[in-house]
Amino acid sequence: SAVISQKPSRDICQRGTSLTIQCQVDSQVTMMFWYRQQPGQSLTLIATANQGSEATYESGFVIDKFPISRPNLTFSTLTVSNMSPEDSSIYLCSVVGQGKGYTFGSGTRLTVV
Amino acid sequence: DQQVKQNSPSLSVQEGRISILNCDYTNSMFDYFLWYKKYPAEGPTFLISISSIKDKNEDGRFTVFLNKSAKHLSLHIVPSQPGDSAVYFCAASTGTASKLTFGTGTRLQVTL
Repeated sequence: SAVISQKPSRDICQRGTSLTIQCQVDSQVTMMFWYRQQPGQSLTLIATANQGSEATYESGFVIDKFPISRPNLTFSTLTVSNMSPEDSSIYLCSVVGQGKGYTFGSGTRLTVV
Repeated sequence: DQQVKQNSPSLSVQEGRISILNCDYTNSMFDYFLWYKKYPAEGPTFLISISSIKDKNEDGRFTVFLNKSAKHLSLHIVPSQPGDSAVYFCAASTGTASKLTFGTGTRLQVTL
């Protein structure tokens, strides 16, 4: 199954700033998914990133707040913009596996102060 | 609207015994179901999946059962080991390559 390298693994950021999270996959994949896990909560899908087209955002998430880039079939970034303490979460990228479910990155633990 | 629910936030089981984790869903369009294990500071790790054309799938110590009429699935771990202690999420999708909807998670503690 695919191996995902996600970075940074954690960061502490000032409110009002932005953080860009990167995911690199060791094979070409059509779709990449970005999830958020708020403290004590389940994983919630933010958006689906397809190469060559705009990302598709879930209800409650907007491009201005979470812009996504997908320049090729192995890489994607998620930016958390104009951060507030409510954005403190674990952010995860994911790709569809080869008969082994979906593979997730190790996550980015973001704390906004 | 929580389409996938895990009603037990936590479960404690003795080592060697069976662990049964339950999951209910409301969306009848879901046809692919997965279980993930998650340790703190790590991404979820895939355990086992089942498609709606089956009612059981087994992989080593892990077995998933699907009851479509009841919109219910369960994960059985036999025998339970201390290394199984983690948070377990069930997830569902429409098809094998579309977005996942996750349950709220069950924290499993396997005691000696």
